[in-house]
Amino acid sequence: ETGVTQTPRHLVMGMTNKKSLKCEQHLGHNAMYWYKQSAKKPLELMFVYNFKEQTENNSVPSRFSPECPNSSHLFLHLHTLQPEDSALYLCASSQRAGGDTGELFFGEGSRLTVL
Amino acid sequence: GENVEQHPSTLSVQEGDSAVIKCTYSDSASNYFPWYKQELGKRPQLIIDIRSNVGEKKDQRIAVTLNKTAKHFSLHITETQPEDSAVYFCAASQTQGGSEKLVFGKGTKLTVNP
Repeated sequence: ETGVTQTPRHLVMGMTNKKSLKCEQHLGHNAMYWYKQSAKKPLELMFVYNFKEQTENNSVPSRFSPECPNSSHLFLHLHTLQPEDSALYLCASSQRAGGDTGELFFGEGSRLTVL
Repeated sequence: GENVEQHPSTLSVQEGDSAVIKCTYSDSASNYFPWYKQELGKRPQLIIDIRSNVGEKKDQRIAVTLNKTAKHFSLHITETQPEDSAVYFCAASQTQGGSEKLVFGKGTKLTVNP
């Protein structure tokens, strides 16, 4: 196990719904990430948090709202999504401080379908 | 911003042959180049990485080479086995304040035929 868990694994929602994706890492890492994986743009970076502070917002539409209450938890709040937002959403974490590599440890992903 | 191009998009080899996947990057400030393997239905996992102060790195059957002048790097898999079948992603990044801003290539689907 990589120590990064995501829930739910599958989510189907309508365009007017509000839902949230959850990610938790048990690795003691200081950085957490949201990636979107779709057929058109594999592994597209969305957000980066370092020590629970957002350091990157890769021009993501405001219908995606991240939240990082602490270094171990990361949420992605979803509202008024579009069908083209259907994709696999991957959470990842990494430890850079004092480490030799910036290896990303990914979760299993949350498969989102927007109807 | 950084842009990473990866080729080929699909690659089919016979078991025992070698496979080579190539990537180019645009930002000369990038200093970290990892490769991730994603098996069908599973999460991406790091298989090897290289930093800009090294030209080549090898780990058993896999190796990565880096040409900073030309801004390209390659993954080499020798003696391929069916379990090497997966999608491989290259990436490039600069370390920024303790986190990585990795930009990934579009992936190469490798199929190793028995």
